[in-house]
Amino acid sequence: DQQVKQNSPSLSVQEGRISILNCDYTNSMFDYFLWYKKYPAEGPTFLISISSIKDKNEDGRFTVFLNKSAKHLSLHIVPSQPGDSAVYFCAAPQGNNRKLIWGLGTSLAVNP
Amino acid sequence: DVKVTQSSRYLVKRTGEKVFLECVQDMDHENMFWYRQDPGLGLRLIYFSYDVKMKEKGDIPEGYSVSREKKERFSLILESASTNQTSMYLCASSLEGGGVCEQFFGPGTRLTVL
Repeated sequence: DQQVKQNSPSLSVQEGRISILNCDYTNSMFDYFLWYKKYPAEGPTFLISISSIKDKNEDGRFTVFLNKSAKHLSLHIVPSQPGDSAVYFCAAPQGNNRKLIWGLGTSLAVNP
Repeated sequence: DVKVTQSSRYLVKRTGEKVFLECVQDMDHENMFWYRQDPGLGLRLIYFSYDVKMKEKGDIPEGYSVSREKKERFSLILESASTNQTSMYLCASSLEGGGVCEQFFGPGTRLTVL
């Protein structure tokens, strides 16, 4: 059973608008979350993270929101740019933080 | 600049061949990982290693083995390649302890088994 879920396999957004990527989790022990971005034929790169002691973390155009009671987090990209077109993965460390539990990813297409 | 390198970007092998995928990191990280990525299936962990000569099975270890003789190098071995092992293989590394869990990835190896 998946502990980290990204229920939207794909998302299409117009350039300049907001992109919202969602992630749900089932394990209430998770206390840290990471978002990665992956272009085709490249490895994933770390984008932004959030600790459970916060409900928001912002880095430039990227903001992650965490709702612990709903076990839900979201990544907002404002404004979206064509270069943001990629697959976005949500992940959470398990146990001793060695392993990451990954969502299946959401493919974002930002149209000019 | 931190770096994880993988020996090949693209590889084509025949069914039954023994295949070696090499990964090297220059960050002195204790943990190293091998994943495969397939459409619709996300990143699936094959094996990981938290120290030299130490290894643990991930979610899909069948058909694979690994070797970690030096801290900076982690090898994935397909003893007898099969067509269902055609995939994108990703190596990653991370620091041990201190609450840090960010994994750094290599560029990936696209393996095709004919």
